[in-house]
Amino acid sequence: EVQLLESGGGLVQPGGSLRLSCESSGFTFSSYAMSWVRQAPGKGLEWVSAISGSGGSTYYGDSVKGRFTISRDNFKNTLYLQMNSLRPEDTAVYYCAKRHCSSSTCNSAKFVGVDPWGQGTLVTVSS
Amino acid sequence: QSVLTQPPSASGTPGQRVTISCSGSSSNIGTNYVYWYHQLPGTAPKLLIYRNNLRPSGVPDRLSGSKSGTSASLAISGLRSEDEADYYCATWDDSLSGVVFGGGTKLTVL
Repeated sequence: EVQLLESGGGLVQPGGSLRLSCESSGFTFSSYAMSWVRQAPGKGLEWVSAISGSGGSTYYGDSVKGRFTISRDNFKNTLYLQMNSLRPEDTAVYYCAKRHCSSSTCNSAKFVGVDPWGQGTLVTVSS
Repeated sequence: QSVLTQPPSASGTPGQRVTISCSGSSSNIGTNYVYWYHQLPGTAPKLLIYRNNLRPSGVPDRLSGSKSGTSASLAISGLRSEDEADYYCATWDDSLSGVVFGGGTKLTVL
């Protein structure tokens, strides 16, 4: 069974930094691209970032470009999101998610479908 | 303001068929596959439809997706109380080089 467990969320002041982690199990982690999606309280879904299975290719949403960095450690089966220069509007539940793949090539970071998702970790940016 | 436009709400009675629309442009829906998710209260989203009209294993066939031009829709037939959830469409946007979501549609089963 695929399991994704996010951690690292919490309360941080504006301008501060936080690193989220997503420990994965139940699948060959290095073979799958992964992504982060967030959801502000009471709001809809917003795509944050995606990374290829090898870690060599990444994409970012415009609202986080230049401030957030996605990375992965395929030996530890863990996905990361380094968040710098945090703003109040970054307050959200952050989900990590595995690429949904119906073919043999699941490595590319350019993808849309994700399943399953982790349970999410709440990041609150406030003074 | 979301790149993809969905109605904020939809409703139906048990057994009815409801559709949820998703409108985009030539840089997103017009040239890329559409995906649909639903999110039950207090839970993580779940993939319902991929590549416009395909269902992952475990998703019932009373859910179906379609796409025409720069719009897409999700149809749910034989509506049940457990279908009450928020529904989101998503696709790749070539201009933004990223994934875009619709604002979400809250489905109420009356």
